Amino acid sequence: KAGVTQTPRYLIKTRGQQVTLSCSPISGHRSVSWYQQTPGQGLQFLFEYFSETQRNKGNFPGRFSGRQFSNSRSEMNVSTLELGDSALYLCASSFGGRTSSYEQYFGPGTRLTVT
Amino acid sequence: KQEVTQIPAALSVPEGENLVLNCSFTDSAIYNLQWFRQDPGKGLTSLLLIQSSQREQTSGRLNASLDKSSGRSTLYIAASQPGDSATYLCAVRGSQGNLIFGKGTKLSVKP
Repeated sequence: KAGVTQTPRYLIKTRGQQVTLSCSPISGHRSVSWYQQTPGQGLQFLFEYFSETQRNKGNFPGRFSGRQFSNSRSEMNVSTLELGDSALYLCASSFGGRTSSYEQYFGPGTRLTVT
Repeated sequence: KQEVTQIPAALSVPEGENLVLNCSFTDSAIYNLQWFRQDPGKGLTSLLLIQSSQREQTSGRLNASLDKSSGRSTLYIAASQPGDSATYLCAVRGSQGNLIFGKGTKLSVKP
């Protein structure tokens, strides 16, 4: 069974640009969550999607947005990039929504560098 | 607001030692607790998941315990090996549904 896949694996962007990251969950999983990992703040929750609906959102500015498609694949978009957006962006999938107790499985991440 | 703390931040041990990593959380209203391993520059690998109704879970040389009332979990690694060197992260899943992570314990096992 294929794991969570994320594309691209590495990205270099310039301040002010926008970027779109993609995540394909494990087959059968309907929940996709996004996290940002930085050396200073650690892992922080961005948002969660379940059945194409945003179920939960972390404390990030509106420049960070996402969506989920009918096949459960998800994308996140960051507009007007800032240097502080440089991070490892991780996607996680699980069977259920926010009230479930299902295990979360993480992808390899997308390393975004903003110059 | 849920906060997760992991102690120690870093740990270096000789190969073969048994070791314990600690995780504490401030709000006992959790659905579950998950331990992860992260190798440098890589994603997270799930090691163990403990549901709120459980007290411990075991997988191979790993054993994790959960004491919800005191807000603590421990990850026990038996007979450590150099391949166990990584950062170990503890995360709790609360009523909002998302995982809240500790900052991790960076483990180095010396041959």
